[in-house]
Amino acid sequence: GAGVSQSPSNKVTEKGKDVELRCDPISGHTALYWYRQSLGQGLEFLIYFQGNSAPDKSGLPSDRFSAERTGGSVSTLTIQRTQQEDSAVYLCASSFSRREQYFGPGTRLTVT
Amino acid sequence: GESVGLHLPTLSVQEGDNSIINCAYSNSASDYFIWYKQESGKGPQFIIDIRSNMDKRQGQRVTVLLNKTVKHLSLQIAATQPGDSAVYFCAENKGAGSYQLTFGKGTKLSVIP
Repeated sequence: GAGVSQSPSNKVTEKGKDVELRCDPISGHTALYWYRQSLGQGLEFLIYFQGNSAPDKSGLPSDRFSAERTGGSVSTLTIQRTQQEDSAVYLCASSFSRREQYFGPGTRLTVT
Repeated sequence: GESVGLHLPTLSVQEGDNSIINCAYSNSASDYFIWYKQESGKGPQFIIDIRSNMDKRQGQRVTVLLNKTVKHLSLQIAATQPGDSAVYFCAENKGAGSYQLTFGKGTKLSVIP
């Protein structure tokens, strides 16, 4: 079956612009997660959704970052007024349980 | 700092040998630990997990060991193959009921043919 998909795969934006990153989870997965991975680093948790609610958004680095999920499916991560330090790979994952998270290929964001 | 870390950033292994990747953690409340494999340009892929009430779990060619006394986790890969070349991350959850995972920085495994 189809895995987690993310779009765009690459995004180059100018400092100060807003960007939207999209995640399509595996059908039926109730949990959805966003992570950020900087070059050569591990994954940094950003936010977690259960259905359309976000019980844990503790990892969002600033109020420039927001995310929503609609219909218990697609999620959008929005970064406003992008900064160069926002450059990273943004990974989305979904799961049916707490244990095995299925990751998408990520969106590589470059802020110039 | 991160609560999950790795002792070695890179590991080179001869094809056919066994690989051991180590990880230290600090959160005693974690109720399970997971190993992920990430190939270049791809998202992490689940390999195996272990609950905190276990000390060993085996999968296909992989074994995870958990030593809660010293807060140490290891992944053993038997008969390492070129396809095993990747970055390996350990991760722990924040505690019972938590969906949040904390990842280590990763170990790059290179298999020498």
